[in-house]
Amino acid sequence: EAGVAQSPRYKIIEKRQSVAFWCNPISGHATLYWYQQILGQGPKLLIQFQNNGVVDDSQLPKDRFSAERLKGVDSTLKIQPAKLEDSAVYLCASSLFRRGNTIYFGEGSWLTVV
Amino acid sequence: QQQVKQSPQSLIVQKGGISIINCAYENTAFDYFPWYQQFPGKGPALLIAIRPDVSEKKEGRFTISFNKSAKQFSLHIMDSQPGDSATYFCAARGDDKIIFGKGTRLHILP
Repeated sequence: EAGVAQSPRYKIIEKRQSVAFWCNPISGHATLYWYQQILGQGPKLLIQFQNNGVVDDSQLPKDRFSAERLKGVDSTLKIQPAKLEDSAVYLCASSLFRRGNTIYFGEGSWLTVV
Repeated sequence: QQQVKQSPQSLIVQKGGISIINCAYENTAFDYFPWYQQFPGKGPALLIAIRPDVSEKKEGRFTISFNKSAKQFSLHIMDSQPGDSATYFCAARGDDKIIFGKGTRLHILP
């Protein structure tokens, strides 16, 4: 079974530029998550989708971050304009159900903002 | 109330020893407590999990001990091996969201 796929793996941008990350969850998984992991900290949930609807985006900085999950499969997370404090690993994850016990993570997209 | 507090921040254990990582929570509505293991350059992966109606769960060398009254739970790694060197996160589920602790960097000395 293929895991959660993410791209790009690494990205370096200047502040105020924009960046987009793509995620393809495990086939059949209804719930998709985007987490932000700052170095030395635990993952922080940014947004959670159930199929193509948003379940929770309470911690998403909506003035600069946006995410979509068209057709309820893959998803894109965009940051525009980027700030230095956005430097982090952006982890996409998926689970079979909304209350699925196991969340499967991708390897992450590493963002450095200079 | 949505926090999960984890300690220690880092831990060094001799090969063959017992590694113990502790977590505490406030929200009594949390209904599921997983532990995740993360190797450098990889995403976290589920290691073991427990529900609050159980006081202990063991899978191989990994054991979760759960104290509902104290609102604490811990991960014990028996016979720790160099391959166990990783970052460990405790977590808790509430309102269909998984909240993670800040992580413990474990290093097992060969």
